[in-house]
Amino acid sequence: KNEVEQSPQNLTAQEGEFITINCSYSVGISALHWLQQHPGGGIVSLFMLSSGKKKHGRLIATINIQEKHSSLHITASHPRDSAVYICAVSPISGGYNKLIFGAGTRLAVHP
Amino acid sequence: NAGVMQNPRHLVRRRGQEARLRCSPMKGHSHVYWYRQLPEEGLKFMVYLQKENIIDESGMPKERFSAEFPKEGPSILRIQQVVRGDSAAYFCASSSNRDQPQHFGDGTRLSIL
Repeated sequence: KNEVEQSPQNLTAQEGEFITINCSYSVGISALHWLQQHPGGGIVSLFMLSSGKKKHGRLIATINIQEKHSSLHITASHPRDSAVYICAVSPISGGYNKLIFGAGTRLAVHP
Repeated sequence: NAGVMQNPRHLVRRRGQEARLRCSPMKGHSHVYWYRQLPEEGLKFMVYLQKENIIDESGMPKERFSAEFPKEGPSILRIQQVVRGDSAAYFCASSSNRDQPQHFGDGTRLSIL
């Protein structure tokens, strides 16, 4: 079993829909990260959080440390949100921001 | 401010050749991380460096791979005697401190003929 599991693996939505991507992890962590990767492009760090909730524009990230679970929400989705969203964790045992990545969720938003 | 700069964006090598991938961290960042993304797979940690020091290389293959981050100049990931299985996207990230968010480059796509 992978230390970081994401669901769903693939997600298709219509423009305007509310989207949720889930991430579960099995190790103790100091922080959890949400990243965005566009096809053929680079990786953008969206959020780094260790508790509670963070919001940036239409993106919201939440984390429940006790349940070892995080969600990434996208409100009023748009075709430009189409990308792979990756959850990554920094294990406490690492001592620094050594990242363990989930497999990613491929999101396609259609007009 | 320039972000993390990686070059080249695309690199083609024949089996047995050497590949050199460069990463210039963001200004003010002295911590560099290298990750590999094999085709249809997730990202995997390779190595963590701080100026002139390798802090953690537990993700590096034991042979043919090496990394450095000299006092002056970019960090270099070097792959000697490349094989087809080395074909992947290699990403570099940097941070200002060991527990600060990492900023990623656009990656180098390495193809082995």
